[in-house]
Amino acid sequence: GAVVSQHPSWVICKSGTSVKIECRSLDFQATTMFWYRQFPKQSLMLMATSNEGSKATYEQGVEKDKFLINHASLTLSTLTVTSAHPEDSSFYICSASSGHTYEQYFGPGTRLTVT
Amino acid sequence: GQQLNQSPQSMFIQEGEDVSMNCTSSSIFNTWLWYKQDPGEGPVLLIALYKAGELTSNGRLTAQFGITRKDSFLNISASIPSDVGIYFCAGQLDNTDKLIFGTGTRLQVFP
Repeated sequence: GAVVSQHPSWVICKSGTSVKIECRSLDFQATTMFWYRQFPKQSLMLMATSNEGSKATYEQGVEKDKFLINHASLTLSTLTVTSAHPEDSSFYICSASSGHTYEQYFGPGTRLTVT
Repeated sequence: GQQLNQSPQSMFIQEGEDVSMNCTSSSIFNTWLWYKQDPGEGPVLLIALYKAGELTSNGRLTAQFGITRKDSFLNISASIPSDVGIYFCAGQLDNTDKLIFGTGTRLQVFP
């Protein structure tokens, strides 16, 4: 149980384009989903927290107009990186929590490369 | 952003040896979690700790929630090659779901 998927697993895009990453909870309803970014050899840094049906809460320093988050259902959240630049290249990981416990279950990650 | 301090940063051990790593913070947490991350994958939850002083085991893994609620340790006994990876602690802030991750401990196990 507690499986979280992400799609795509990797994506290469050109500078200035937008990329959408999907995060799905496959066998439970996720009341809260989290988006993290991880640069090489570094730890996970929380970008934003999203609750189903409401606006995401962004961490300090994360541009909400650049990283658009939508949590339209209890099993799906999306992160759209708008007008991507090479410095946005990173490993993006989502996690989901059912709310019954405080445990978060992580997706396999999406590697974004902006050329 | 805030991070927890993990030590050691990396470890190189021989198969069969025991491993110990810890995590410290200047802040109090009400939950401590330990994750393992393999290259190119998301973290996988190993152990969750909910009470100060709690000692919990999961197979060869044992973790403890420090009595001050500002630290935690993870022990791995009789290490095997598949234990290779990066281990992260994570603290959960009081009254929120947010996780603050540690800096990570990279473990290498040699046969």
